[in-house]
Amino acid sequence: LAKTTQPISMDSYEGQEVNITCSHNNIATNDYITWYQQFPSQGPRFIIQGYKTKVTNEVASLFIPADRKSSTLSLPRVSLSDTAVYYCLVGDKGSSASKIIFGSGTRLSIRP
Amino acid sequence: EPEVTQTPSHQVTQMGQEVILRCVPISNHLYFYWYRQILGQKVEFLVSFYNNEISEKSEIFDDQFSVERPDGSNFTLKIRSTKLEDSAMYFCASSEGGGQGGGYTFGSGTRLTVV
Repeated sequence: LAKTTQPISMDSYEGQEVNITCSHNNIATNDYITWYQQFPSQGPRFIIQGYKTKVTNEVASLFIPADRKSSTLSLPRVSLSDTAVYYCLVGDKGSSASKIIFGSGTRLSIRP
Repeated sequence: EPEVTQTPSHQVTQMGQEVILRCVPISNHLYFYWYRQILGQKVEFLVSFYNNEISEKSEIFDDQFSVERPDGSNFTLKIRSTKLEDSAMYFCASSEGGGQGGGYTFGSGTRLTVV
């Protein structure tokens, strides 16, 4: 499993766009990049997954450069309810890897 | 949206007692998992389960722990003789495919407090 590095914490304000970058220098050819969100006392929640370029859904966008050694989760116009821990995970999408491993994540705090 | 359901939401038990945490995964998912999170710490992998058997387990998942799929819908985690350090949030998850395919769906967790 490729190691990931992301900031321990970030602060922002309501209405701002927040970008959280994750480094994964040892990403393998078959690896996908997945982001999860976790609110206090709740289980992690899948946000978005991608392999290369850009992926967008109703919650976020994921930008992946051509070398795939990093990725950026972009949250448009955040609100107080986006305060959570965000985890970047890198791993094989296939059945060869039977688990996902969480790092420490990025603790995002949104202020009024 | 389909959910993973966990019961109970909170359980208090005395040290040395057995506890069973219950989970109902999403019905068409084939892979099941237990994770735990000690207060203020990382989400830690415990065990994965596929085709009615354990496919992988962590060092945490020692002989005190066991998992079972007793029927077509439930997935349980048993801790035989609880210790104080077993106090944590326990999350069940399920996925359609193995690895990271499609993302995992986590339940809301069971808060286990061992006294």
